[in-house]
Amino acid sequence: AQSVAQPEDQVNVAEGNPLTVKCTYSVSGNPYLFWYVQYPNRGLQFLLKYITGDNLVKGSYGFEAEFNKSQTSFHLKKPSALVSDSALYFCAVRDQAGTALIFGKGTTLSVSS
Amino acid sequence: DTAVSQTPKYLVTQMGNDKSIKCEQNLGHDTMYWYKQDSKKFLKIMFSYNNKELIINETVPNRFSPKSPDKAHLNLHINSLELGDSAVYFCASSLTTWGLQETQYFGPGTRLLVL
Repeated sequence: AQSVAQPEDQVNVAEGNPLTVKCTYSVSGNPYLFWYVQYPNRGLQFLLKYITGDNLVKGSYGFEAEFNKSQTSFHLKKPSALVSDSALYFCAVRDQAGTALIFGKGTTLSVSS
Repeated sequence: DTAVSQTPKYLVTQMGNDKSIKCEQNLGHDTMYWYKQDSKKFLKIMFSYNNKELIINETVPNRFSPKSPDKAHLNLHINSLELGDSAVYFCASSLTTWGLQETQYFGPGTRLLVL
């Protein structure tokens, strides 16, 4: 069965510093991986996805993610964090047996000024 | 224009009542979904429909009944509401059902509180 794990409940970073939000996955077959962000009292917004090809995927709002097959990881990164990046971030994998997204538990990112 | 919209945004009701949540997408997608986000923010699929046909029906109490009048709409009706039904319900859509690489686009959510 497909699954994703987000090992950190919360990540704290100072504004201007680089940030990383970790995600590891377990899939049978090719992984189709996604990152979403949820701002308080808002819906989920799509950031980026890995399908195939380049291991570094660029997405919205300056975010990027690095796919590492040997480490089964898909970490979300940003070179310079903004206070406005503070939100809940979800990693997800497409369920290859069906159509749904399987989400990690989420990581709260807090960027301090 | 909102791509995936849900009504109502907030819903407060008493135990035992029946309520409906509506979802509409204007993206021309064939597939729509309902996800539930619990109090710990955990997201889980409930249902998916492809062009009005039920594709996924996870282990959800049969008090929950999705209805898709057309491929642009997927409504969720809940009978005999219970305290544990309190959650945020998200609607989503994607272009097709079986394209594993396709992005799912989410609505703003409906916050249901059962008293």
